[in-house]
Amino acid sequence: KAGVTQTPRYLIKTRGQQVTLSCSPISGHRSVSWYQQTPGQGLQFLFEYFSETQRNKGNFPGRFSGRQFSNSRSEMNVSTLELGDSALYLCASSWDTALFNEQFFGPGTRLTVL
Amino acid sequence: AQSVAQPEDQVNVAEGNPLTVKCTYSVSGNPYLFWYVQYPNRGLQFLLKYITGDNLVKGSYGFEAEFNKSQTSFHLKKPSALVSDSALYFCAVRPLGSSASKIIFGSGTRLSIRP
Repeated sequence: KAGVTQTPRYLIKTRGQQVTLSCSPISGHRSVSWYQQTPGQGLQFLFEYFSETQRNKGNFPGRFSGRQFSNSRSEMNVSTLELGDSALYLCASSWDTALFNEQFFGPGTRLTVL
Repeated sequence: AQSVAQPEDQVNVAEGNPLTVKCTYSVSGNPYLFWYVQYPNRGLQFLLKYITGDNLVKGSYGFEAEFNKSQTSFHLKKPSALVSDSALYFCAVRPLGSSASKIIFGSGTRLSIRP
């Protein structure tokens, strides 16, 4: 079974631009979560989607948004990029939203904002 | 505030020796507990979890973890370290009580196994 895939793997953008990242979960998984990983802040939860609905949201500004499609694929968008948005963005999928389910992570998209 | 602490940024162990990576948490109620490992340029991989029952949980690659309710700890252990165990390890906690409960990750511990 294929794992979680994320595209693109690397992105370079300039301040003020916007970016869209894509995540395809493991087949059959209906829950998708997004995380931002930086050396200073560690792993921070962005949001969680299930059945095309946002179930949970972390403490990020409104410039960060996401959506999930009917096939469980998910996208996240960051508008008006800032230097501090440079990070590794990780997507994770699980069967559903049950709290005891482990998550399966993709390799991440490394975003660099210049 | 709910939190997860991994008190050691780095743990150095000689190959063949036992290893321990520490994790303590501060959340209300009894949470679900997880360990993940991250290799360079990769996403996180699930190692093991504690839901209920036996306090000693066995996971992938020979790792195990011990849940201690009174000390609110969930330390990761392995009897004999391998060089290939060198990676970044994250403890994670998901508090119970709400379907909207958010998972909380520790800051990570870099494990370095010397030959």
